[in-house]
Amino acid sequence: EAGVAQSPRYKIIEKRQSVAFWCNPISGHATLYWYQQILGQGPKLLIQFQNNGVVDDSQLPKDRFSAERLKGVDSTLKIQPAKLEDSAVYLCASRTSGMWEQFFGPGTRLTVL
Amino acid sequence: AQKITQTQPGMFVQEKEAVTLDCTYDTSDPSYGLFWYKQPSSGEMIFLIYQGSYDQQNATEGRYSLNFQKARKSANLVISASQLGDSAMYFCAMREGENTDKLIFGTGTRLQVFP
Repeated sequence: EAGVAQSPRYKIIEKRQSVAFWCNPISGHATLYWYQQILGQGPKLLIQFQNNGVVDDSQLPKDRFSAERLKGVDSTLKIQPAKLEDSAVYLCASRTSGMWEQFFGPGTRLTVL
Repeated sequence: AQKITQTQPGMFVQEKEAVTLDCTYDTSDPSYGLFWYKQPSSGEMIFLIYQGSYDQQNATEGRYSLNFQKARKSANLVISASQLGDSAMYFCAMREGENTDKLIFGTGTRLQVFP
Protein backbone atom coordinates (compact mmCIF):
# COMPACT_ATOMS: atom_id res chain seq x y z
CA GLU A 1 0.00 0.00 0.00
CA ALA A 2 1.45 3.35 -1.03
CA GLY A 3 1.89 5.91 1.73
CA VAL A 4 1.00 9.59 1.81
CA ALA A 5 2.79 11.45 -0.96
CA GLN A 6 3.85 15.09 -0.76
CA SER A 7 5.64 17.44 -3.09
CA PRO A 8 7.86 19.28 -3.28
CA ARG A 9 10.12 18.02 -0.52
CA TYR A 10 11.95 21.33 -0.22
CA LYS A 11 11.10 24.88 -1.19
CA ILE A 12 12.97 28.14 -0.72
CA ILE A 13 11.19 31.41 -1.44
CA GLU A 14 11.49 35.06 -0.54
CA LYS A 15 9.02 36.78 1.73
CA ARG A 16 5.89 38.06 0.04
CA GLN A 17 6.12 35.36 -2.61
CA SER A 18 3.49 32.63 -2.90
CA VAL A 19 3.97 28.88 -2.62
CA ALA A 20 1.83 25.77 -2.96
CA PHE A 21 2.20 22.28 -1.56
CA TRP A 22 0.54 19.13 -2.83
CA CYS A 23 -0.59 16.02 -0.96
CA ASN A 24 -1.95 12.68 -2.13
CA PRO A 25 -3.34 10.66 0.80
CA ILE A 26 -3.43 6.91 1.15
CA SER A 27 -6.04 5.46 -1.18
CA GLY A 28 -9.44 5.27 0.46
CA HIS A 29 -8.61 7.57 3.36
CA ALA A 30 -11.48 10.03 3.69
CA THR A 31 -9.85 12.31 6.25
CA LEU A 32 -6.90 14.51 5.35
CA TYR A 33 -4.92 16.86 7.57
CA TRP A 34 -2.35 19.58 7.04
CA TYR A 35 0.06 20.31 9.90
CA GLN A 36 2.72 22.95 10.39
CA GLN A 37 5.82 21.92 12.31
CA ILE A 38 8.13 24.75 13.34
CA LEU A 39 11.66 23.76 14.25
CA GLY A 40 11.86 22.42 17.80
CA GLN A 41 8.11 21.99 18.17
CA GLY A 42 5.51 19.32 17.61
CA PRO A 43 3.19 19.52 14.61
CA LYS A 44 0.21 21.87 14.84
CA LEU A 45 -2.98 21.20 12.92
CA LEU A 46 -3.79 23.80 10.28
CA ILE A 47 -6.80 22.28 8.56
CA GLN A 48 -8.74 19.03 8.42
CA PHE A 49 -10.86 17.73 5.54
CA GLN A 50 -13.46 14.99 5.55
CA ASN A 51 -13.75 13.98 1.89
CA ASN A 52 -13.84 17.40 0.20
CA GLY A 53 -15.40 19.31 3.10
CA VAL A 54 -13.56 21.30 5.75
CA VAL A 55 -14.02 19.91 9.28
CA ASP A 56 -11.67 22.20 11.20
CA ASP A 57 -9.72 25.22 10.01
CA SER A 58 -9.71 27.13 13.28
CA GLN A 59 -5.92 27.41 13.36
CA LEU A 60 -5.42 28.27 9.70
CA PRO A 61 -4.26 31.90 9.19
CA LYS A 62 -6.90 32.57 6.60
CA ASP A 63 -5.53 35.95 5.57
CA ARG A 64 -2.61 34.19 3.88
CA PHE A 65 -3.20 30.44 3.94
CA SER A 66 -5.73 28.55 1.87
CA ALA A 67 -6.34 24.88 1.21
CA GLU A 68 -8.60 22.81 -0.95
CA ARG A 69 -9.36 19.19 -1.54
CA LEU A 70 -11.19 18.96 -4.80
CA LYS A 71 -12.88 15.61 -5.52
CA GLY A 72 -12.02 14.42 -2.01
CA VAL A 73 -8.62 12.98 -2.90
CA ASP A 74 -5.59 15.23 -3.52
CA SER A 75 -5.16 18.43 -1.59
CA THR A 76 -3.17 21.62 -2.01
CA LEU A 77 -2.10 24.09 0.64
CA LYS A 78 -1.17 27.61 -0.48
CA ILE A 79 0.54 30.48 1.25
CA GLN A 80 0.21 33.95 -0.24
CA PRO A 81 2.08 36.10 0.65
CA ALA A 82 4.65 34.21 2.69
CA LYS A 83 6.23 35.63 5.83
CA LEU A 84 9.50 34.75 7.51
CA GLU A 85 7.64 32.99 10.32
CA ASP A 86 6.09 30.56 7.83
CA SER A 87 9.41 28.76 7.61
CA ALA A 88 8.53 25.25 8.79
CA VAL A 89 7.86 21.70 7.69
CA TYR A 90 4.36 21.21 6.31
CA LEU A 91 3.10 17.72 6.93
CA CYS A 92 0.12 16.06 5.33
CA ALA A 93 -1.59 13.12 7.01
CA SER A 94 -4.56 10.91 6.28
CA ARG A 95 -6.79 8.57 8.23
CA THR A 96 -9.36 5.94 7.41
CA SER A 97 -12.66 5.72 9.24
CA GLY A 98 -12.75 3.28 12.12
CA MET A 99 -9.10 3.81 13.04
CA TRP A 100 -7.63 6.60 15.11
CA GLU A 101 -4.07 6.62 13.83
CA GLN A 102 -3.05 9.17 11.25
CA PHE A 103 -0.45 8.34 8.61
CA PHE A 104 1.93 11.08 7.64
CA GLY A 105 3.75 11.98 4.48
CA PRO A 106 7.44 12.96 4.32
CA GLY A 107 6.63 16.67 4.60
CA THR A 108 7.68 19.77 2.69
CA ARG A 109 10.40 21.87 4.25
CA LEU A 110 9.74 25.55 3.50
CA THR A 111 12.35 28.22 3.99
CA VAL A 112 11.26 31.85 3.64
CA LEU A 113 14.13 34.32 3.18
CA ALA B 1 -1.70 24.81 30.54
CA GLN B 2 0.13 22.45 28.27
CA LYS B 3 -2.03 19.59 27.12
CA ILE B 4 0.94 17.31 26.44
CA THR B 5 4.21 17.62 28.32
CA GLN B 6 7.42 15.86 27.41
CA THR B 7 10.03 16.89 29.94
CA GLN B 8 13.03 15.13 28.42
CA PRO B 9 14.51 17.12 25.53
CA GLY B 10 17.07 14.39 24.95
CA MET B 11 17.82 10.85 26.03
CA PHE B 12 20.73 8.51 25.49
CA VAL B 13 20.55 4.72 25.62
CA GLN B 14 22.96 1.96 24.80
CA GLU B 15 22.06 -0.54 22.13
CA LYS B 16 20.03 -3.52 23.40
CA GLU B 17 19.00 -1.68 26.56
CA ALA B 18 15.45 -0.54 27.36
CA VAL B 19 14.51 3.13 27.55
CA THR B 20 11.46 5.01 28.83
CA LEU B 21 10.30 8.26 27.28
CA ASP B 22 8.03 10.32 29.50
CA CYS B 23 4.72 11.91 28.59
CA THR B 24 2.12 13.54 30.81
CA TYR B 25 -1.18 14.91 29.61
CA ASP B 26 -3.91 17.21 30.82
CA THR B 27 -7.58 16.72 30.06
CA SER B 28 -10.87 16.69 31.91
CA ASP B 29 -12.62 14.71 29.19
CA PRO B 30 -13.15 11.05 30.15
CA SER B 31 -12.77 9.93 26.55
CA TYR B 32 -9.39 10.50 24.95
CA GLY B 33 -6.57 8.69 23.23
CA LEU B 34 -2.81 8.84 23.42
CA PHE B 35 -0.36 8.27 20.61
CA TRP B 36 3.36 7.97 20.14
CA TYR B 37 5.02 8.89 16.86
CA LYS B 38 8.64 8.55 15.75
CA GLN B 39 10.21 11.18 13.51
CA PRO B 40 13.57 10.22 11.98
CA SER B 41 15.80 12.83 10.40
CA SER B 42 14.01 12.21 7.09
CA GLY B 43 11.03 14.06 8.55
CA GLU B 44 8.19 11.59 8.24
CA MET B 45 6.08 10.94 11.34
CA ILE B 46 5.78 7.20 11.92
CA PHE B 47 2.91 5.92 14.04
CA LEU B 48 4.09 3.61 16.82
CA ILE B 49 1.34 2.92 19.32
CA TYR B 50 -2.10 4.01 20.52
CA GLN B 51 -3.85 3.82 23.90
CA GLY B 52 -7.52 4.66 24.42
CA SER B 53 -8.62 6.03 27.76
CA TYR B 54 -11.03 3.15 28.28
CA ASP B 55 -8.59 0.44 27.30
CA GLN B 56 -8.07 -1.90 30.24
CA GLN B 57 -4.64 -3.11 29.25
CA ASN B 58 -1.51 -1.24 28.31
CA ALA B 59 -0.94 -1.15 24.57
CA THR B 60 1.97 -3.07 23.09
CA GLU B 61 3.36 -3.22 19.56
CA GLY B 62 6.45 -5.33 19.14
CA ARG B 63 9.28 -3.65 21.04
CA TYR B 64 7.08 -0.71 21.98
CA SER B 65 4.80 -0.62 24.99
CA LEU B 66 2.85 2.19 26.53
CA ASN B 67 2.91 2.48 30.31
CA PHE B 68 -0.51 4.05 30.87
CA GLN B 69 -1.11 5.40 34.38
CA LYS B 70 -4.48 7.09 34.27
CA ALA B 71 -4.48 8.50 37.80
CA ARG B 72 -1.12 10.13 37.19
CA LYS B 73 -2.12 11.20 33.67
CA SER B 74 1.00 9.71 32.24
CA ALA B 75 1.55 7.68 29.07
CA ASN B 76 5.21 6.77 28.92
CA LEU B 77 6.68 4.93 25.94
CA VAL B 78 8.95 2.01 26.70
CA ILE B 79 11.27 0.78 23.97
CA SER B 80 12.84 -2.57 24.74
CA ALA B 81 16.08 -3.84 23.23
CA SER B 82 17.02 -0.51 21.63
CA GLN B 83 18.49 -0.53 18.14
CA LEU B 84 20.64 2.04 16.39
CA GLY B 85 17.72 2.70 14.06
CA ASP B 86 15.63 3.86 16.99
CA SER B 87 17.59 7.13 17.08
CA ALA B 88 15.00 9.79 16.26
CA MET B 89 12.61 12.36 17.72
CA TYR B 90 9.66 10.87 19.56
CA PHE B 91 6.39 12.73 19.96
CA CYS B 92 3.55 12.04 22.33
CA ALA B 93 0.11 13.22 21.16
CA MET B 94 -3.44 13.22 22.42
CA ARG B 95 -6.91 13.33 20.90
CA GLU B 96 -9.44 14.73 23.32
CA GLY B 97 -13.13 13.86 23.23
CA GLU B 98 -15.20 10.89 22.16
CA ASN B 99 -15.56 11.80 18.52
CA THR B 100 -12.59 14.04 17.89
CA ASP B 101 -9.51 12.99 15.95
CA LYS B 102 -7.63 16.29 16.24
CA LEU B 103 -4.14 15.60 17.60
CA ILE B 104 -2.28 17.80 20.06
CA PHE B 105 1.43 17.09 20.10
CA GLY B 106 4.12 17.55 22.73
CA THR B 107 7.48 19.10 22.00
CA GLY B 108 9.23 15.80 21.55
CA THR B 109 12.19 13.89 22.96
CA ARG B 110 15.31 13.23 20.94
CA LEU B 111 16.55 9.68 21.53
CA GLN B 112 20.06 8.70 20.63
CA VAL B 113 21.08 5.06 20.69
CA PHE B 114 24.82 4.39 20.92
CA PRO B 115 26.70 1.12 20.32
